[in-house]
Amino acid sequence: QVQLQESGPGLVKPSQTLSLTCTVSGGSIRSGSYYWSWIRQPAGKGLEWIGRFYTSEITNYNPSLKSRVTMSLDTSKNQFSLRLSSVTAADTAVYYCARDSVGITAAGAYWGQGTLVTVSS
Amino acid sequence: QSALTQPASVSGSPGQSITISCTGTSSDVGAYNYVSWYQQHPGKAPKLMIYEVTNRPSGVPDRFSGSKSGNTASLTISGLQTEDEADYYCSSYTTYSAWVFGGGTKVTVL
Repeated sequence: QVQLQESGPGLVKPSQTLSLTCTVSGGSIRSGSYYWSWIRQPAGKGLEWIGRFYTSEITNYNPSLKSRVTMSLDTSKNQFSLRLSSVTAADTAVYYCARDSVGITAAGAYWGQGTLVTVSS
Repeated sequence: QSALTQPASVSGSPGQSITISCTGTSSDVGAYNYVSWYQQHPGKAPKLMIYEVTNRPSGVPDRFSGSKSGNTASLTISGLQTEDEADYYCSSYTTYSAWVFGGGTKVTVL
């Protein structure tokens, strides 16, 4: 059973870049095998899809965040990463990584437990 | 992209059936049969309950069912149980190769 675990700084200053890593266990991470996604949730609010990575040529981002988002895979470390630049307080949220599954088309079939990122000086 | 529209709250007594609606547009819900539903308990990660409108992942009870008509999808919980009390989110794939979520529905078991 695949397991996902997010990690990264819990506090980021405004205008800086938020960097998070999703470590995958229970299976190898391979480009072009699954869609790897990031989804966030501000406290007390709903889910917001950030984007997904399939290969370096096939990535899709939320149009409202596209100019600030970069996603990548590190197969040597079995990790999936998110970078969000020029952050503001509005980017404060719990960030989840997720992956789809064979035969399941969904924003996320498997999810990490989430990590809280606060943007504040 | 705009969030899909869900009722803020739905309630029911144990054993009853409830239905949560999820309204989108012809660019998302109405465009594909790629609607999914997630259950989220407080402080926990979302859990996939329904995918591709009607399909249940392994382990999800069959009292959870999904449907779609036009630009509106629905999740029905039959035989409501106390452990079903949670927030529920719909999600749809869109014509611009992105996923969009609904605003969420709080289900209360009376």
